[in-house]
Amino acid sequence: EVQLVESGGGLVQPGGSLRLSCAASGFTFSSYWMHWVRQAPGKGLVWVSRINSDGSSTSYADSVKGRFTISRDNAKNTLYLQMNSLRAEDTAVYYCARSENHYGYWGQGTLVTVSS
Amino acid sequence: DIVMTQTPLSSPVTLGQPASISCRSSQSLVHSDGNTYLSWLQQRPGQPPRLLIYKISNRFSGVPDRFSGSGAGTDFTLKISRVEAEDVGVYYCMQATQFPWTFGQGTKVEIK
Repeated sequence: EVQLVESGGGLVQPGGSLRLSCAASGFTFSSYWMHWVRQAPGKGLVWVSRINSDGSSTSYADSVKGRFTISRDNAKNTLYLQMNSLRAEDTAVYYCARSENHYGYWGQGTLVTVSS
Repeated sequence: DIVMTQTPLSSPVTLGQPASISCRSSQSLVHSDGNTYLSWLQQRPGQPPRLLIYKISNRFSGVPDRFSGSGAGTDFTLKISRVEAEDVGVYYCMQATQFPWTFGQGTKVEIK
């Protein structure tokens, strides 16, 4: 069974940092591109970042470029999102998702709240 | 970026009756490989999104056959043949033809 489990969310002050993790199981993690998608409270879904299967290629939404870094450890079957210089507008549930030209599998999400 | 526009934004339906959601993209979703990467997602209250339909009309594993997708180019439709109580939630269309992948605003399906 494919499972994606996010962790690392929490309350952080503006300007602070957080590192999200997504532990994958039930499939060959190193074969798939992985994405982060976020959802602000009461709002819709927004793509944040993606990484290719071996970690050599990454992309970011303009809103997070230069502040967020996606990475992966295929030996640990884990996806990461390092978030720096956090702003109030980054407050959202962050989901990791497996990519195959669609999002077939999603984690439960982890809530990031940026507030003083 | 490709803009995805859904209508209606809210759809009150009677149990057992059909429901339909439209999604229009700001440009053609036909990829250079010939595929059209338009999918539909369901998000029940308090839950993560769940894939229902991919490549316009392919039902994902475990999705009931009362859900169907159709369309081509820039105009797509999700239909629920007979709405059940468990279908309450927000439905999103999503394109993965051109980067960045983008979502519609969401359509809230609720029971009358």
